[in-house]
Amino acid sequence: QVQLQESGPGLVMPSQTLSLTCTVSGGSISSGSSYWSWIRQPAGKGLEWIGRIFITGSTNNYNPSLKSRVTISADTSKNQFSLKLSSVTAADTAVYYCARDHVWVGESLAAFDIWGQGRMVTVSS
Amino acid sequence: QTVVTQEPSLTVSPGGTVTLTCASSTGAVTSGYYPNWFQQKPGQVARALIYSTSNKHSWTPARFSGSLLGGKAALTLSGVQPEDEAEYYCLLFFGDAQRWVFGGGTKLTVL
Repeated sequence: QVQLQESGPGLVMPSQTLSLTCTVSGGSISSGSSYWSWIRQPAGKGLEWIGRIFITGSTNNYNPSLKSRVTISADTSKNQFSLKLSSVTAADTAVYYCARDHVWVGESLAAFDIWGQGRMVTVSS
Repeated sequence: QTVVTQEPSLTVSPGGTVTLTCASSTGAVTSGYYPNWFQQKPGQVARALIYSTSNKHSWTPARFSGSLLGGKAALTLSGVQPEDEAEYYCLLFFGDAQRWVFGGGTKLTVL
């Protein structure tokens, strides 16, 4: 059973870089569709997709609104993938989730079927 | 900028039926957008309910169903239970840009 766990600082100074890591257990990040995503949710607001990494293809896709500040990378030896968000402001304060981007069930695509528990990140001095 | 729109809030009586919809600013939603639906209760992680328009996960109660309706993706709850009170999010995939977009969410109240 695949499980995801986010880790990283819960407090980041304004203008600094937010860094989070998602550790995947119970399966390899290089197997299956091998796409993995980051999603965030400010308190009391909706879900926002940040971006994803395609492990076996070594490619990324990002939300255009965040693209200039986001980098998602992976370390297959540790079965982890990571998020870096630069030049953060208070508007980046949110719960950050990692999730399995999708799996194919026959010809159907099931998105974000597995999520981490989330990591609350506050941007404040 | 691509926007995915949902009803901000809906109210339904226990045992009733309600339909939530999901529209795209780019035009009609089709199966090619792989519509997915999620349920989120306060303080909890979102949980996947419906994938690729109408497919249920093994854990999805039978009273939930998905469809395409009038150019939108739709989630219908039949025989609503008090525990269905939650926020519901739709998700669409825009293949040309290779990105996911969540709808703003619908707060469903069971009253």
